[in-house]
Amino acid sequence: NAGVMQNPRHLVRRRGQEARLRCSPMKGHSHVYWYRQLPEEGLKFMVYLQKENIIDESGMPKERFSAEFPKEGPSILRIQQVVRGDSAAYFCASSPVRLGAGRQPQHFGDGTRLSIL
Amino acid sequence: GQQVMQIPQYQHVQEGEDFTTYCNSSTTLSNIQWYKQRPGGHPVFLIQLVKSGEVKKQKRLTFQFGEAKKNSSLHITATQTTDVGTYFCAGNSGGYQKVTFGTGTKLQVIP
Repeated sequence: NAGVMQNPRHLVRRRGQEARLRCSPMKGHSHVYWYRQLPEEGLKFMVYLQKENIIDESGMPKERFSAEFPKEGPSILRIQQVVRGDSAAYFCASSPVRLGAGRQPQHFGDGTRLSIL
Repeated sequence: GQQVMQIPQYQHVQEGEDFTTYCNSSTTLSNIQWYKQRPGGHPVFLIQLVKSGEVKKQKRLTFQFGEAKKNSSLHITATQTTDVGTYFCAGNSGGYQKVTFGTGTKLQVIP
């Protein structure tokens, strides 16, 4: 059973370009969570999605950031007009039921390390 | 909003010594999870605690959930170099969907 798949593992962009990060949840998981982690810091929640719906985007910056989880295909975290401060590791996690509803933890992907030149 | 703090932020121990990290939430939690992240790696789920006062053990690791469900601890007995990494607690409150991660404790084990 494949785990959470994220790609690319490393992404380099110049300021002003767009970054697209992809996440395929574990088989059978319909809940996806995106986190951002700056060096030497903890994980900061960004957004929680269920198939075709954004459930909680309270951690997403108001501008330039968007996320989707279409009916078919991976979840996408999109950052437009990237700036140096966007450099971070972006982790995706998935769960089979919504957190708190049962005893199912989140399973994390390997992350995408985004570097802005 | 909910805040989850961990202490200490960093801990260096001699191999064989014990280690404890403490997790404190500003709000009552419905459950708490612990994760370990190796340098350059991703968080790996260790355990979830749900009941007030719950204690669980995994070999040399002991996890505890406070009676008030606002704090938790992870204790490692006789650390080994393989224990190196950052340990995060993560709490889930009431009907909230998202999990709030603690600030993490970075463990270094000196051989």
